[in-house]
Amino acid sequence: GAVVSQHPSRVICKSGTSVKIECRSLDFQATTMFWYRQFPKQSLMLMATSNEGSKATYEQGVEKDKFLINHASLTLSTLTVTSAHPEDSSFYICSARDWAQGDQPQHFGDGTRLSIL
Amino acid sequence: LAKTTQPISMDSYEGQEVNITCSHNNIATNDYITWYQQFPSQGPRFIIQGYKTKVTNEVASLFIPADRKSSTLSLPRVSLSDTAVYYCLPWGSGGGADGLTFGKGTHLIIQP
Repeated sequence: GAVVSQHPSRVICKSGTSVKIECRSLDFQATTMFWYRQFPKQSLMLMATSNEGSKATYEQGVEKDKFLINHASLTLSTLTVTSAHPEDSSFYICSARDWAQGDQPQHFGDGTRLSIL
Repeated sequence: LAKTTQPISMDSYEGQEVNITCSHNNIATNDYITWYQQFPSQGPRFIIQGYKTKVTNEVASLFIPADRKSSTLSLPRVSLSDTAVYYCLPWGSGGGADGLTFGKGTHLIIQP
């Protein structure tokens, strides 16, 4: 089945630091990947859609200059949290689906726990 | 996007069959219904997907009535390790790329 790998699994850093999270589709190509954020005891919230070779599409209320997304290849999307602050601490999860397989569902990475001190 | 309604929480015991029902009254004609399982500090894991009638795989069954306004995930003989949050998600496979809209899910707690 489709495997999505996310790295790193956990990041702890100081306020003001920029943090990059990688999302890879290991055994399929993904022209589109998705980034979600999940706060404690809450559900996943879609942040943005990452499009290979073009600009990402952000959901309402998500700052595109804060959360930079790059999707330079068919198997890799990166999310960079710029100048992170404690309120950015959250669980970030990416997903992708194999568009070559028409009815295949999205598969998720294992998430990245971001803690800003 | 189809809005979903699921019980917030459910309790059961090891060895029992658990059925979680989700309503999605305004599901689109082309939408599939997908169920995911999520453990704490992990990404959601795909369980099963269907369009209509019944689908069964090695871990679960999915029952979808003819009107497709609801679906029921059936977990046979649950164990403690099935304690997790379960989400039902209608989604369309055709056309443009759509991120998933997660509801609150059902927190299933399995006791010894």
